[in-house]
Amino acid sequence: KNEVEQSPQNLTAQEGEFITINCSYSVGISALHWLQQHPGGGIVSLFMLSSGKKKHGRLIATINIQEKHSSLHITASHPRDSAVYICAVRKGGSEKLVFGKGMKLTVNP
Amino acid sequence: EADIYQTPRYLVIGTGKKITLECSQTMGHDKMYWYQQDPGMELHLIHYSYGVNSTEKGDLSSESTVSRIRTEHFPLTLESARPSHTSQYLCASSTGLSGNTIYFGEGSWLTVV
Repeated sequence: KNEVEQSPQNLTAQEGEFITINCSYSVGISALHWLQQHPGGGIVSLFMLSSGKKKHGRLIATINIQEKHSSLHITASHPRDSAVYICAVRKGGSEKLVFGKGMKLTVNP
Repeated sequence: EADIYQTPRYLVIGTGKKITLECSQTMGHDKMYWYQQDPGMELHLIHYSYGVNSTEKGDLSSESTVSRIRTEHFPLTLESARPSHTSQYLCASSTGLSGNTIYFGEGSWLTVV
């Protein structure tokens, strides 16, 4: 069983929908990262969280340390949001990241 | 915008050839990483460096080697490529502060035929 699990694995939405991507982890962490990977491979860091909630534009990320769970929300989704969204955690006492398999999001116009 | 660059972006080479994937960053980051990612799968750490002359193997066993002679440069070398090395290789860097943002290069797609 992976230490980082993401759900769903794939999601197709219509433009304008509110989208939630979930990430659960089974280890103690010092930080959690949400990353976005577009076709072609490049990865962009969206958020780094250690507690609470962060917002950037239409994206909101939350984390519940007690429940070992994080969510990434996309409001008013757009076709350009189509990408793979990856959750990664930095285990406590380590500098290395452990990655989830990612969730492929397709937003149709 | 991240200042981390990888070359080549795409490469097709024959079995047995030696290949070096280049990675450079201009942000002065001490920590650099190489990840391997097969299509549809998660990233796996194959090498990392916490500074000049410091290199360590990652969690996934790899036949590649790395060097860190300069802060900004972290090349990965395969001495004798095999079809099993076909994959995407992603370079990344971060500051020395725990929990800080990690920056990724665009990735190098390697196909060994």
